[in-house]
Amino acid sequence: GQNIDQPTEMTATEGAIVQINCTYQTSGFNGLFWYQQHAGEAPTFLSYNVLDGLEEKGRFSSFLSRSKGYSYLLLKELQMKDSASYLCAVRDSNYQLIWGAGTKLIIKP
Amino acid sequence: DAMVIQNPRYQVTQFGKPVTLSCSQTLNHNVMYWYQQKSSQAPKLLFHYYDKDFNNEADTPDNFQSRRPNTSFCFLDIRSPGLGDAAMYLCATSRARGGSETQYFGPGTRLLVL
Repeated sequence: GQNIDQPTEMTATEGAIVQINCTYQTSGFNGLFWYQQHAGEAPTFLSYNVLDGLEEKGRFSSFLSRSKGYSYLLLKELQMKDSASYLCAVRDSNYQLIWGAGTKLIIKP
Repeated sequence: DAMVIQNPRYQVTQFGKPVTLSCSQTLNHNVMYWYQQKSSQAPKLLFHYYDKDFNNEADTPDNFQSRRPNTSFCFLDIRSPGLGDAAMYLCATSRARGGSETQYFGPGTRLLVL
């Protein structure tokens, strides 16, 4: 079967750095997405990785290792507004998006 | 602004009473998706349209139907809602299905079944 694993919940301090990990086992691989979802709202696109390495976009960076079936989302200079769930999703060989359940990130002052 | 719009944002229905959720988009995207998402769970794809081509997920209950009368609009019909159908229903669009194509989500409709 296909599976995406992420920690259920993480806590971090305002101004700090946090890394949210995602491991996947899918039928083929055609890219990995990270989405942010605030409580009661729709997911919004953060990043896309299809090649190994680090993609940096402002305070957010996303890393991919295809050989390890592993990605992480790195959030720097955390702000209170970063409190949200972060969903990892992988596009498989049928171009379907396989979603993780999300990691709820709690930011404390 | 180009966007994905869902109406209503909150919908209350009674057990067994048919309900229709609507989605419209101004992005002119070819693909439209309906997801069901329950609290702290991954979004679950119910079906998607690639243009007029309808694609039903194998485990989508028969209770759920969809219509896409034109490029801009897509509807989700729940014929006989049960208590287990209470969830957030998310509509999303993408230009195409493959590769780096990003899905853009509407704000969602939260369905409550009494």
